[in-house]
Amino acid sequence: GENVEQHPSTLSVQEGDSAVIKCTYSDSASNYFPWYKQELGKRPQLIIDIRSNVGEKKDQRIAVTLNKTAKHFSLHITETQPEDSAVYFCAASERNDYKLSFGAGTTVTVRA
Amino acid sequence: ETGVTQSPTHLIKTRGQQVTLRCSSQSGHNTVSWYQQALGQGPQFIFQYYREEENGRGNFPPRFSGLQFPNYSSELNVNALELDDSALYLCASSHSWGRSQETQYFGPGTRLLVL
Repeated sequence: GENVEQHPSTLSVQEGDSAVIKCTYSDSASNYFPWYKQELGKRPQLIIDIRSNVGEKKDQRIAVTLNKTAKHFSLHITETQPEDSAVYFCAASERNDYKLSFGAGTTVTVRA
Repeated sequence: ETGVTQSPTHLIKTRGQQVTLRCSSQSGHNTVSWYQQALGQGPQFIFQYYREEENGRGNFPPRFSGLQFPNYSSELNVNALELDDSALYLCASSHSWGRSQETQYFGPGTRLLVL
């Protein structure tokens, strides 16, 4: 089955700096890669996703890049703000609506 | 549009007991997936239900079972509870229609504590 590894496990950044989280996956059949943000005590919320026919996708301060050959994808958050503090999970799947294999999560802390 | 809801929010059980968790899918969604999230870890896929039938299962024993009803709501049942079953149980709903694939939206979860 799919195995997703996520690094780093914790990330502390100064407000206004950038944050980068990296994930690798093992199953070459995976072609859908969402990123979820989970605040303490709340549900995971989709923040951005990318499919394997696209190498990069951007939404305001958030971007995701995908290298399907190397089987890794990354989340980039620019101009970080205190409200970006949360746990971020990457995931991989064969389909948008099928079983998601999650990474272990990255706790991001934005220092004011 | 109504979001995904789950009940109860919290539950305490003792080892060996049985538990039923409930999920109401988002309006217009016909697929429900269940995930187990242990403390400090990412969610782990338990199984998925599509049109009232199991449509894929993760690495969980048969004492984890489920149902989906005609209104697409779903139940997760866990028999013979073990201490390691203590976790946040999340359901996610989506709409599947042939080749159409839509995003999974998560509910707030049920936090289960097994003593």
